[in-house]
Amino acid sequence: QQQVKQSPQSLIVQKGGISIINCAYENTAFDYFPWYQQFPGKGPALLIAIRPDVSEKKEGRFTISFNKSAKQFSLHIMDSQPGDSATYFCAARGTSRGQNFVFGPGTRLSVLP
Amino acid sequence: DGGITQSPKYLFRKEGQNVTLSCEQNLNHDAMYWYRQDPGQGLRLIYYSQIVNDFQKGDIAEGYSVSREKKESFPLTVTSAQKNPTAFYLCASSWTGGNTGELFFGEGSRLTVL
Repeated sequence: QQQVKQSPQSLIVQKGGISIINCAYENTAFDYFPWYQQFPGKGPALLIAIRPDVSEKKEGRFTISFNKSAKQFSLHIMDSQPGDSATYFCAARGTSRGQNFVFGPGTRLSVLP
Repeated sequence: DGGITQSPKYLFRKEGQNVTLSCEQNLNHDAMYWYRQDPGQGLRLIYYSQIVNDFQKGDIAEGYSVSREKKESFPLTVTSAQKNPTAFYLCASSWTGGNTGELFFGEGSRLTVL
């Protein structure tokens, strides 16, 4: 079964600091790598996404770095704010079987005021 | 407002009972999905459907059933055969064409088996 590994499981950052969450995948048959943000009791929402032909994508304070050869990608949250406290999931979309997504186990981020 | 509506938000069930979770979308998406979320395990795919009257098993389909009689609706039945049904269930939808197939999620249904 295709897998996406994610670390750390939980992360505590001071306000204004940089939050970094890492993911790695084991199968090359992925063509789209999104990050989802989930607040307690809510469904996940798309935060930012990248394709494997791009090494970096930035949207405001959020940046994805992608290393195709290492099969790794990471989310960087600059100037972290208490409102960023949530669970973050990385995912990868397969190129077969209906192009379904495989999700990492999630990282619970807490940003201290 | 366009979106995905899941109901009920909370549901309690006695062992041996079947329960059905509702999912309705007005985004005109072709594809719909059911995921199960457990602490520390991310989201696991139960069933998905890319077109009306057709659906496919996901990674953890045992003990669950679905139907897709209308484009807007994709109900999930948790049967008594599901050994550990207590979980947070998420419904999602997406376009089947396009470049991303971004998933749009509902707010979830939390099922507790007493």
